[in-house]
Amino acid sequence: TQLLEQSPQFLSIQEGENLTVYCNSSSVFSSLQWYRQEPGEGPVLLVTVVTGGEVKKLKRLTFQFGDARKDSSLHITAAQTGDTGLYLCAGRVIQGAQKLVFGQGTRLTINP
Amino acid sequence: EPEVTQTPSHQVTQMGQEVILRCVPISNHLYFYWYRQILGQKVEFLVSFYNNEISEKSEIFDDQFSVERPDGSNFTLKIRSTKLEDSAMYFCASSPRGGTGNREQYFGPGTRLTVT
Repeated sequence: TQLLEQSPQFLSIQEGENLTVYCNSSSVFSSLQWYRQEPGEGPVLLVTVVTGGEVKKLKRLTFQFGDARKDSSLHITAAQTGDTGLYLCAGRVIQGAQKLVFGQGTRLTINP
Repeated sequence: EPEVTQTPSHQVTQMGQEVILRCVPISNHLYFYWYRQILGQKVEFLVSFYNNEISEKSEIFDDQFSVERPDGSNFTLKIRSTKLEDSAMYFCASSPRGGTGNREQYFGPGTRLTVT
């Protein structure tokens, strides 16, 4: 069973602070995706990382895929209240496989 | 921007009844998926569908479940005889024609299934 563990599970910080959330596994992933999910809604795709060491930026969000493709991180600079939400990582273990394995999520709260 | 749609948004059914959950994937996508999320738990893969057949399924997807693409736009998940433990959010997702093979998956808003 491939597991993706996210940490922390809950994070509450003040607006303007920086934060990093982590997604770790003992398995190698051919690709990894980050989603954001609002209550009662479906996951919304933020980014896909494919290459070990890859870094992608989406405005104040920076995503990194570990060199060994077993872990990933999401860094938010100068967090805003609109960043509040559940952040999920999901990986595809085998190249060409269909199944995405999801982490349990990091619930992020940005306080004004 | 094109999006995956799902109906109904909420379905309440009695144990033992059949339910059909409906999805309209993004129009030029070729790969279709169903996932479920039990309250407070991780999103779990159920099944993937390509070229009018199941391409991968999980151990959750037993004989009580089936999928169908009855026409060029709809993708359905049928549960033949619902159990209490089938209560969950069910998400449909679709992927475009994959040039890289990574096939990013785009999710619908979900159907909340409540079995009583």
